[in-house]
Amino acid sequence: DAGITQSPRYKITETGRQVTLMCHQTWSHSYMFWYRQDLGHGLRLIYYSAAADITDKGEVPDGYVVSRSKTENFPLTLESATRSQTSVYFCASLGGDYGYTFGSGTRLTVV
Amino acid sequence: KQEVTQIPAALSVPEGENLVLNCSFTDSAIYNLQWFRQDPGKGLTSLLLIQSSQREQTSGRLNASLDKSSGRSTLYIAASQPGDSATYLCAVRPWSNDMRFGAGTRLTVKP
Repeated sequence: DAGITQSPRYKITETGRQVTLMCHQTWSHSYMFWYRQDLGHGLRLIYYSAAADITDKGEVPDGYVVSRSKTENFPLTLESATRSQTSVYFCASLGGDYGYTFGSGTRLTVV
Repeated sequence: KQEVTQIPAALSVPEGENLVLNCSFTDSAIYNLQWFRQDPGKGLTSLLLIQSSQREQTSGRLNASLDKSSGRSTLYIAASQPGDSATYLCAVRPWSNDMRFGAGTRLTVKP
């Protein structure tokens, strides 16, 4: 199926653990993004990527790492999870003049 | 820094009513503006995309307008239905590729 898929949909992890959220798109869009959505803060940009091997920080990058070895994949890693990283995470791609398309999200709980 | 504001934060209307959701932004130098719908616990679904050179876009019962000079966009929903109940998000894309989101308007349409 064409689109953006995120995995897992739900994840519970312990404080201090490393966890990776996956994002895959089928369109070969150059730009991809990671957002987190929290009550009271709305959607905030964590990292984005303009192309394979090109990434840049967004508004709230601390505690996160990204990589993009292939155009279609853009994983987000929490190196040492903290409770403040409990959130819903959305991956998105930018399709030229078609705007942004979002994945279904990953609900992460850090206990 | 681009700031996006959506008013009202919440709106409750009876079924069949026509309604308008408002979005304002502080920097008129935008590439495009996109309206999204988000159902509880779900991802963002794109509704309408307006390029900076356009004044409005229509899709079914939805009409979005854009006035760059005043920094405003409206989303008009005709003949509202209970299935329209959701949170509606306005997002502005500046000439970089970092989209800025409003906090959303939570719409409830009562049968």
